[in-house]
Amino acid sequence: EAQVTQNPRYLITVTGKKLTVTCSQNMNHEYMSWYRQDPGLGLRQIYYSMNVEVTDKGDVPEGYKVSRKEKRNFPLILESPSPNQTSLYFCASSLAVDRVSNSPLHFGNGTRLTVT
Amino acid sequence: AQSVTQPDIHITVSEGASLELRCNYSYGATPYLFWYVQSPGQGLQLLLKYFSGDTLVQGIKGFEAEFKRSQSSFNLRKPSVHWSDAAEYFCAVGGRKTGANNLFFGTGTRLTVIP
Repeated sequence: EAQVTQNPRYLITVTGKKLTVTCSQNMNHEYMSWYRQDPGLGLRQIYYSMNVEVTDKGDVPEGYKVSRKEKRNFPLILESPSPNQTSLYFCASSLAVDRVSNSPLHFGNGTRLTVT
Repeated sequence: AQSVTQPDIHITVSEGASLELRCNYSYGATPYLFWYVQSPGQGLQLLLKYFSGDTLVQGIKGFEAEFKRSQSSFNLRKPSVHWSDAAEYFCAVGGRKTGANNLFFGTGTRLTVIP
C-alpha cells in the first residue's frame, strides 16, 4: 500500500532533550516536506526537500533540522526542543520535483509532540 | 507574499443541507489552489485542485469548487451534506514560481453536521 509513515504517533519529552521524528514513503517520491499544525494557525511548512541531499527552509524553520540522505526518508530533528514546539507534525511527499506540476501531496497521519 | 484566508472557523449544518466553505487567497499570479479534508486523528486528504482551464472543478465525495479570479476566491461547495463530512477543511495555495508542492495553508474551517 502506498503510504507516508511517521513515527512515533505520540511523543512527550522534556525541554532540551534531542529528538527525531521519522518519515518514510514507499512511493519513490522525490519531493518531501514537513508541516506543523497549530490551532488557529493551520499548517505551516517547516522544511522541504526536492531530492536527495537537497533541502530548503519553509516558513517556520527555526529550531528544526532535516536531512535527506535517501529518497524514501526525511527525518525531522529537534536538537533542543522547547515548549513552543509542542504541536502536531505532518510529513508529506509528492512524486513531482519540477516546478510546474500537478502531482498532489500525500500526507502521513501525524505526530503529536508535547514538550514540557 | 501569498496568503490564504478562511473566514469561517466553525460551521454547523444539518445533514442534507447544502454547504459552502469560503476561501480567499492573495497571490501575485494565477495560483494553484487546493482543498484538503482532515478527519479526526488522520492526515490530510486531497478533495480537489485547480491548476488551469475550467474554473469549476469536481472532486471526491461529491465536492466541487469554483475559482473566481475577480474575487480571488476558491469556495468549496456540496449540495447535500452527509454526517461523514464532519471534519476540518483546509484551503491551500501553491505558487507557480515555487511549484505546486510547496503549499501555503489557510487556518481551516471545522464542519459539524447535525442530524
